[in-house]
Amino acid sequence: GQQLNQSPQSMFIQEGEDVSMNCTSSSIFNTWLWYKQEPGEGPVLLIALYKAGELTSNGRLTAQFGITRKDSFLNISASIPSDVGIYFCAGQGSPSGGGADGLTFGKGTHLIIQP
Amino acid sequence: NAGVTQTPKFRILKIGQSMTLQCTQDMNHNYMYWYRQDPGMGLKLIYYSVGAGITDKGEVPNGYNVSRSTTEDFPLRLELAAPSQTSVYFCASSYFEILSPLHFGNGTRLTVT
Repeated sequence: GQQLNQSPQSMFIQEGEDVSMNCTSSSIFNTWLWYKQEPGEGPVLLIALYKAGELTSNGRLTAQFGITRKDSFLNISASIPSDVGIYFCAGQGSPSGGGADGLTFGKGTHLIIQP
Repeated sequence: NAGVTQTPKFRILKIGQSMTLQCTQDMNHNYMYWYRQDPGMGLKLIYYSVGAGITDKGEVPNGYNVSRSTTEDFPLRLELAAPSQTSVYFCASSYFEILSPLHFGNGTRLTVT
């Protein structure tokens, strides 16, 4: 199956620092999504990107859909303790995907914030 | 709206036992999905459904069965539980396939011993 390479796997940062994570793929996608998962809960959508080159912000979060449609990044500015969690990228609608679900997930970036 | 609701939250099974993981959504979404999440891994699709009466296999369907008799419900059945099925299971739904992000339930943590 398709794979998304998400990096870094984990990040230990100080409160107030900026965070950057990214996903790359060998396949192109029509949509890139970024989810956050907190302990004991399901993933929650943060940002959805629908066009190559699109740059979208949601508060302190900014994400971009790469021009090649094979990558995306997520930035978090001025991190705060509640940003702790696991962040997943997901690509949707790949031409090489099968079935109704063109959703492929990265393995996640575990964000840990030290006060 | 409650969104996507999964039950139970936790379950321990012995090898060979069977169980059904329940999932219901109240958003009138057409598409429903079952994923499993293993430590350090992303979510892998088990089964999905594009509407009542229609189901199809995902990436890792072996050992599981599903049914979709109504728009709201999409139960996942394990007939002969195996240790390899120890995982966290997430149900999700979406309105359309494309350009419609998934809404996830809070998961069922299953341990098979």
